[in-house]
Amino acid sequence: DADVTQTPRNRITKTGKRIMLECSQTKGHDRMYWYRQDPGLGLRLIYYSFDVKDINKGEISDGYSVSRQAQAKFSLSLESAIPNQTALYFCATKGSNNEQFFGPGTRLTVL
Amino acid sequence: AQSVTQPDIHITVSEGASLELRCNYSYGATPYLFWYVQSPGQGLQLLLKYFSGDTLVQGIKGFEAEFKRSQSSFNLRKPSVHWSDAAEYFCAVGPSNDYKLSFGAGTTVTVRA
Repeated sequence: DADVTQTPRNRITKTGKRIMLECSQTKGHDRMYWYRQDPGLGLRLIYYSFDVKDINKGEISDGYSVSRQAQAKFSLSLESAIPNQTALYFCATKGSNNEQFFGPGTRLTVL
Repeated sequence: AQSVTQPDIHITVSEGASLELRCNYSYGATPYLFWYVQSPGQGLQLLLKYFSGDTLVQGIKGFEAEFKRSQSSFNLRKPSVHWSDAAEYFCAVGPSNDYKLSFGAGTTVTVRA
């Protein structure tokens, strides 16, 4: 089984809808991250969490919120999706040597 | 602020030829440097990393990278490319006392027969 899983893998939604992307990990890492990937821009950090009680904004947090339900679970929400949030979203965890482990990604399309 | 530049958006290389992907970083102190690979439809997989010590680091899949402090570079190389190396490659930098990585825009590698 994969160490970092994301659900759903693909999602098409309409403008204004609320969307939740979920991430689970079995690596036992405290630190978790949400990134979005856009062509030509690489990965940009949305939110990160050092533990269940410590959540921090990344460089592009506007329009997003997160919830760290447990050490193993970190969810990303779009309260009211808009078309420019169409992107590939990655969850990651961080190990003790600063290496990040990525999930397979969620491809989100907002119409 | 830390940043990463990958000057080449797309590189095409023949199978069996050598490959070099460029990465330049901006950071005030000694950074942690990484190269990740993303195959089509997949997440990112770590190829190699540099924290300190020997400036030539070996990674998986036959890749290596060299840290050159004077040039603020961390270029990725492979002596002989295989068709399975076709993917997108990302360079990333992070400070030693924090855990937020900054990624470059990526370089797409196409391998021709």
